[in-house]
Amino acid sequence: AQSVTQLGSHVSVSEGALVLLRCNYSSSVPPYLFWYVQYPNQGLQLLLKYTTGATLVKGINGFEAEFKKSETSFHLTKPSAHMSDAAEYFCALNTGTASKLTFGTGTRLQVTL
Amino acid sequence: GAGVSQSPSNKVTEKGKDVELRCDPISGHTALYWYRQSLGQGLEFLIYFQGNSAPDKSGLPSDRFSAERTGGSVSTLTIQRTQQEDSAVYLCGTGDYSGANVLTFGAGSRLTVL
Repeated sequence: AQSVTQLGSHVSVSEGALVLLRCNYSSSVPPYLFWYVQYPNQGLQLLLKYTTGATLVKGINGFEAEFKKSETSFHLTKPSAHMSDAAEYFCALNTGTASKLTFGTGTRLQVTL
Repeated sequence: GAGVSQSPSNKVTEKGKDVELRCDPISGHTALYWYRQSLGQGLEFLIYFQGNSAPDKSGLPSDRFSAERTGGSVSTLTIQRTQQEDSAVYLCGTGDYSGANVLTFGAGSRLTVL
C-alpha cells in the first residue's frame, strides 16, 4: 500500500520568507512524487514532479522539492514567498503508469504582509 | 481539447435526485480518474479508467455512484438518489499513460445537495 502524509494543514509565512511544506510518503516500490497547487475555485495544477534521476527538482513559480529516499520525504520549498503563492498544496504519489495517484490531505499556505 | 473540461461547473440539487457530471479529457489521454474533494478534506479517489481495461472502481463509496467512459474519451460520473454528504467538488484528471502518468485536472464540478 502507498500513502502520503502532509504535516501541517495550515502554514502561514510572511511575504519574502522561506516557504517549507512537508511531505512524507510510504511505498513498497520506488515512487513517483508530485506537488500540485490549487488556487481558490480552480482545479489542480502540477507544480513539479520527481520520476527518476536528479533528486532536486525545480518547478514553476520558483518552487523546488528534494526527494530524500532515506527520509522518505519530498518537501516543497520556495526561498521567498509571494502573496500570489497563497493556495492549497497537495503532495501526491504513484508507482507507475498503472497505479492510481494517492494524495495527501493538503496544506493551505497563507502569505501575510 | 487544450485542457480537461468538466461540466457543469456548479450543480445544486435536491436530496434524492440523480445527477450526472461530465469530463472531457485532453485528446489522446487514455487514463482518466475521478476524485472527490469534500470541504476541509483531501482528495478521495473514486474510479480510474485506462484504455479498454476494466475500470478500477475500488474508491466508489456506495452503489449509488457509477461511472462510464464512452469510446475511451468522455466520462460521466452518475450519483443516484443524492444525499447531503455527497456535496463536494468532483475533480477529473487525465493522463497519457506514459512514464509517471502525470495527470492534468479539470476545474471540477461543485455539487451541492440541499
